[in-house]
Amino acid sequence: SQTIHQWPATLVQPVGSPLSLECTVEGTSNPNLYWYRQAAGRGLQLLFYSVGIGQISSEVPQNLSASRPQDRQFILSSKKLLLSDSGFYLCAWSVAGTGTISQPQHFGDGTRLSIL
Amino acid sequence: KQEVTQIPAALSVPEGENLVLNCSFTDSAIYNLQWFRQDPGKGLTSLLLIQSSQREQTSGRLNASLDKSSGRSTLYIAASQPGDSATYLCASTDAGNMLTFGGGTRLMVKP
Repeated sequence: SQTIHQWPATLVQPVGSPLSLECTVEGTSNPNLYWYRQAAGRGLQLLFYSVGIGQISSEVPQNLSASRPQDRQFILSSKKLLLSDSGFYLCAWSVAGTGTISQPQHFGDGTRLSIL
Repeated sequence: KQEVTQIPAALSVPEGENLVLNCSFTDSAIYNLQWFRQDPGKGLTSLLLIQSSQREQTSGRLNASLDKSSGRSTLYIAASQPGDSATYLCASTDAGNMLTFGGGTRLMVKP
């Protein structure tokens, strides 16, 4: 069966420090991968998605970047964190859809990031 | 741009009640509609997915319906239990498999 892992579960970082959040998927090949952010009092917002190694699409301009160095590894990074980067970050994967049949997305347990 | 709205934002019911959560979307050109459950501080658990060609899906005490023409989906929970307390999110999927989420309904089932 497929599983998705995110770490760390919680992280407290000072403003201006770098960030690296990691997400890995097991039990499937060539998944679509997604990074979402859930800020306090706001809904889930798609940040990045990837359909293959080295292929990253950004939905929202921001202080963050994403990379996919391996098929089942998705990394969210920042060189200098801002206070507004605080939130709950969720990674998700899906099988690529075919035709009009789209596939469900499956979520990790999330990383709660607090910026001080 | 797709907009997804969930009503009510919060709901408190006594145990045993049947309840309906509502989800509406502005663009009917969706590929599917997915319902999730989120417990406090946790990730999302997929509950039901309705393909655009389907009208409803059932899993145990949960039933989700989809009416694309009116831009609505409902999640029906039968015989609610305290363990059902959580935030319920609906999300529409577009042709690129991108999800647009509603703001969620926070459900509290009192024993």
